[in-house]
Amino acid sequence: GAVVSQHPSRVICKSGTSVKIECRSLDFQATTMFWYRQFPKKSLMLMATSNEGSKATYEQGVEKDKFLINHASLTLSTLTVTSAHPEDSSFYICSARARQGGGNTIYFGEGSWLTVV
Amino acid sequence: AQSVTQPDIHITVSEGASLELRCNYSYGATPYLFWYVQSPGQGLQLLLKYFSGDTLVQGIKGFEAEFKRSQSSFNLRKPSVHWSDAAEYFCAVGARNSGNTPLVFGKGTRLSVIA
Repeated sequence: GAVVSQHPSRVICKSGTSVKIECRSLDFQATTMFWYRQFPKKSLMLMATSNEGSKATYEQGVEKDKFLINHASLTLSTLTVTSAHPEDSSFYICSARARQGGGNTIYFGEGSWLTVV
Repeated sequence: AQSVTQPDIHITVSEGASLELRCNYSYGATPYLFWYVQSPGQGLQLLLKYFSGDTLVQGIKGFEAEFKRSQSSFNLRKPSVHWSDAAEYFCAVGARNSGNTPLVFGKGTRLSVIA
């Protein structure tokens, strides 16, 4: 099946710094990518939807200036957590929708654990 | 608005026993339906999906699910559970001709397997 790769899988950063998480579709082109945040023992919370070459659409309550999303190509989207704080510590997962064929299947990355100290 | 309900937060089954995880959805039209599995600390892996056609769908790892339109359900089943099946399971619904529409997830069902 299609593969979505996320990097880094784990990152620890100091409070006040920024951290970038990459999401790549390895063997297909993804016109749309989605970023989710998952709190411990909770379901996935959609943060934003990004389309290649355009600005991301953020869900209500998600600060777009804090969570910067860039979808620069059909295979890469990045999430940058700016001025990170301990409450931003979470599990972030990206997903990508294949551009061609396959109906409406969405594939997920492995997730990235962010710990802000 | 579409929604997904997974009534069971946590299920415990014995290894070798059969399993059924419930999923009900609310959607204005015929949706696309998915089941994903998440092991602790990992991303989501697609188990199976329903788009159209045969309402009984076979997936990986011996799982199957049946779409029942009259009940708005898409329950996941496995005839004999293995200890490695212990994980979190998410049911999701997506729109046809979706464009930018993301999947809507249920809250998940945690499966524990005992010897």
